[in-house]
Amino acid sequence: DTGVSQDPRHKITKRGQNVTFRCDPISEHNRLYWYRQTLGQGPEFLTYFQNEAQLEKSRLLSDRFSAERPKGSFSTLEIQRTEQGDSAMYLCASSLAITSVDEQFFGPGTRLTVL
Amino acid sequence: DAKTTQPTSMDCAEGRAANLPCNHSTISGNEYVYWYRQIHSQGPQYIIHGLKNNETNEMASLIITEDRKSSTLILPHATLRDTAVYYCIASLYNNNDMRFGAGTRLTVKP
Repeated sequence: DTGVSQDPRHKITKRGQNVTFRCDPISEHNRLYWYRQTLGQGPEFLTYFQNEAQLEKSRLLSDRFSAERPKGSFSTLEIQRTEQGDSAMYLCASSLAITSVDEQFFGPGTRLTVL
Repeated sequence: DAKTTQPTSMDCAEGRAANLPCNHSTISGNEYVYWYRQIHSQGPQYIIHGLKNNETNEMASLIITEDRKSSTLILPHATLRDTAVYYCIASLYNNNDMRFGAGTRLTVKP
């Protein structure tokens, strides 16, 4: 257990539905990242926050994807009008950017299946 | 980020050293080499990183060639729990856009 939690761990939805995932980072960490991972591939960066500011979102896969981090604590990732191609593992990570190591701590992920 | 190339898979006997190579021939002078691993059904886990000098921590050693075009991650005494996918990433320090490739699937066998 890294201290980063994600909810739910599994989500099955029908095509066209909206889904929202939650990530709770390690409490003192100021950076929070979202990644997507498909079978047999490494994680693919989507977006990140420094405190409550979303500093990079150009890598979000489409305008159906959005993320928030109100108050700089937990974060949510929403996918609207899901498609079968959205089926993947969605990973969240956090880091304390001021340390010399800049290690990202990953959560266990949310596995999304779109039917 | 510079592109990295790793073997798709490797085997190692339990108790022996596992040496995982990584090529990063286009790495720039200010890019670090990071290693993460991902055990089945878990999120990736940081192992080690370095710029020019060899590095060692409680998990592994990182050997970077003098020209910095390649590196090797060494697990000195591999155990069955080290079976995982190992990712080598060349990235600017404190970069927020870590580009993972497909990694090397290491299988430690009894």
